[in-house]
Amino acid sequence: AQKVTQAQTEISVVEKEDVTLDCVYETRDTTYYLFWYKQPPSGELVFLIRRNSFDEQNEISGRYSWNFQKSTSSFNFTITASQVVDSAVYFCALGFQKLVFGTGTRLLVSP
Amino acid sequence: DAGVTQSPTHLIKTRGQQVTLRCSPKSGHDTVSWYQQALGQGPQFIFQYYEEEERQRGNFPDRFSGHQFPNYSSELNVNALLLGDSALYLCASSYTTGVVVTDTEAFFGQGTRLTVV
Repeated sequence: AQKVTQAQTEISVVEKEDVTLDCVYETRDTTYYLFWYKQPPSGELVFLIRRNSFDEQNEISGRYSWNFQKSTSSFNFTITASQVVDSAVYFCALGFQKLVFGTGTRLLVSP
Repeated sequence: DAGVTQSPTHLIKTRGQQVTLRCSPKSGHDTVSWYQQALGQGPQFIFQYYEEEERQRGNFPDRFSGHQFPNYSSELNVNALLLGDSALYLCASSYTTGVVVTDTEAFFGQGTRLTVV
């Protein structure tokens, strides 16, 4: 069975701090995708990134970066110089045709 | 180009009633997946439709059923509503080529928030 664990329920930081959201996954599949989504209070899931299981290169997009390590089954997400607008619930997900989501990490960025 | 659109945005139903939620996929997409997100939880996969047939199903009772139309839009039906069905229902669209799904879950709608009283 597939499983995604986001052990951090809630993280509070002050603006401009760096923050890392952890994601650990379990799967027996050899082909899968890993995802990160942002869910603001409005409820819509905002797609941030999708990584193929065969591509372990880390990725950077502006203030966002992702560290994919197959050896530890982790796909961590770092926000550099956090801003108040980053406050949201962040979900990590795993799958191919259907997704298994973690329980989410609520990030609170205060001014 | 419109993304994934869902209707209605909010809905209040009484226990025991039936409800229908609607989803129009992103232009060019032919595969629709439905997810249920209870308060404080991550979304859970309900089922996926492709070529007007249910292709995969999660661990949901038969009270949850769906349909896909020739224009690729989809409906989620829930019968005999329970208080526990109160949740945000999300639709995601993607594109299938043969057995390969492209754009997997990159596009979600804004969701329908269902309250059962």
